[in-house]
Amino acid sequence: GENVEQHPSTLSVQEGDSAVIKCTYSDSASNYFPWYKQELGKGPQLIIDIRSNVGEKKDQRIAVTLNKTAKHFSLHITETQPEDSAVYFCAASRNTGFQKLVFGTGTRLLVSP
Amino acid sequence: DADVTQTPRNRITKTGKRIMLECSQTKGHDRMYWYRQDPGLGLRLIYYSFDVKDINKGEISDGYSVSRQAQAKFSLSLESAIPNQTALYFCATSGGTTHSNQPQHFGDGTRLSIL
Repeated sequence: GENVEQHPSTLSVQEGDSAVIKCTYSDSASNYFPWYKQELGKGPQLIIDIRSNVGEKKDQRIAVTLNKTAKHFSLHITETQPEDSAVYFCAASRNTGFQKLVFGTGTRLLVSP
Repeated sequence: DADVTQTPRNRITKTGKRIMLECSQTKGHDRMYWYRQDPGLGLRLIYYSFDVKDINKGEISDGYSVSRQAQAKFSLSLESAIPNQTALYFCATSGGTTHSNQPQHFGDGTRLSIL
């Protein structure tokens, strides 16, 4: 079955710096890759997703890149702000049939003012 | 996501008790899911349902059961709770068809402690 590895487990940056979180997946048939942000006491919130027919997707300060050959994808946050502090999860699934999302173990991002 | 409501938000109970966690949604989605979150393990799927008549086991269904009472309601039960079921539980919903899936939307979770 699918296995998703996520690194680093914790990441501390200064406000204004960039943050990068990386994930690798094992199932070459996976073609849908969402990223979730989880704030304290809240459920995961989808912040961006990418399907395998594109290599990069951007939404303001957030971008995701996908390398299908190497089976890895990354979340990039530019100009980080304290409100970006949260736990971020990557996930992978096939896009058809049952969307069984397999999650990474999470990255705790701390943005210091 | 206020469109996915979980009750209760917190629960402390004793070993051996029966517990029901409830989830309701106003998103009109057919698909509903129950996940468990443990520190350092991410989210793991317990059960999922494509519609009222379709319920399936996820990767960690042992010790749990579910009921899909209506399109908008999906309940998770622990028939006889044990301490290692202490965790955060999340309900999620999504749209989609067999040919294309849609993002999952999560509730704010139930923190369950079993003593």
